Amino acid sequence: GAGVSQSPSNKVTEKGKDVELRCDPISGHTALYWYRQSLGQGLEFLIYFQGNSAPDKSGLPSDRFSAERTGGSVSTLTIQRTQQEDSAVYLCASSSGLAGGLAQFFGPGTRLTVL
Amino acid sequence: RKEVEQDPGPFNVPEGATVAFNCTYSNSASQSFFWYRQDCRKEPKLLMSVYSSGNEDGRFTAQLNRASQYISLLIRDSKLSDSATYLCVVNKLGGFQKLVFGTGTRLLVSP
Repeated sequence: GAGVSQSPSNKVTEKGKDVELRCDPISGHTALYWYRQSLGQGLEFLIYFQGNSAPDKSGLPSDRFSAERTGGSVSTLTIQRTQQEDSAVYLCASSSGLAGGLAQFFGPGTRLTVL
Repeated sequence: RKEVEQDPGPFNVPEGATVAFNCTYSNSASQSFFWYRQDCRKEPKLLMSVYSSGNEDGRFTAQLNRASQYISLLIRDSKLSDSATYLCVVNKLGGFQKLVFGTGTRLLVSP
């Protein structure tokens, strides 16, 4: 079946603008994660959704970042008033959500550049 | 101490060589372990899970040492296409199913 998809693949924006990044997880996966990766760096956890539970927002770097997941499927990550330090690749992953931290499958990412 | 630690490398090996990476983790109660592969400017992709009894997938062998809290990845008969960054991944205990990703070990296989 189809893997995780993300859009747009690339986004260039001006400092101060808002951006929305979209993730469509693997069908049937109940867990969805957002990460970001700066050039040459490791993955930074942002937020996690599991079914209908309240999301784990512990990784969001500031209140300019928010995310929602509608209908338990598609998720949108919103960054308000973007800053240059927000430039990174934003990766979405999904997993089947069973207990024990099962493997996550990643989308191709959205490369965000803030000018 | 970091939750997951890896030698960043790079490991430079010739084609056909055998190479091994280790990764240490800090939480002795961790239960799930994985190796991911990440090519330059691409997303991480699951390479293999790591089971307590060790597991093998073709040229790749993964092992877990709980006593010393490390996992290893052995690659035999290296191919040019094995050049990538290998991420060690361990589950983070708690109420949520989070995985902690190491920063990766870079492998360069040369002709």
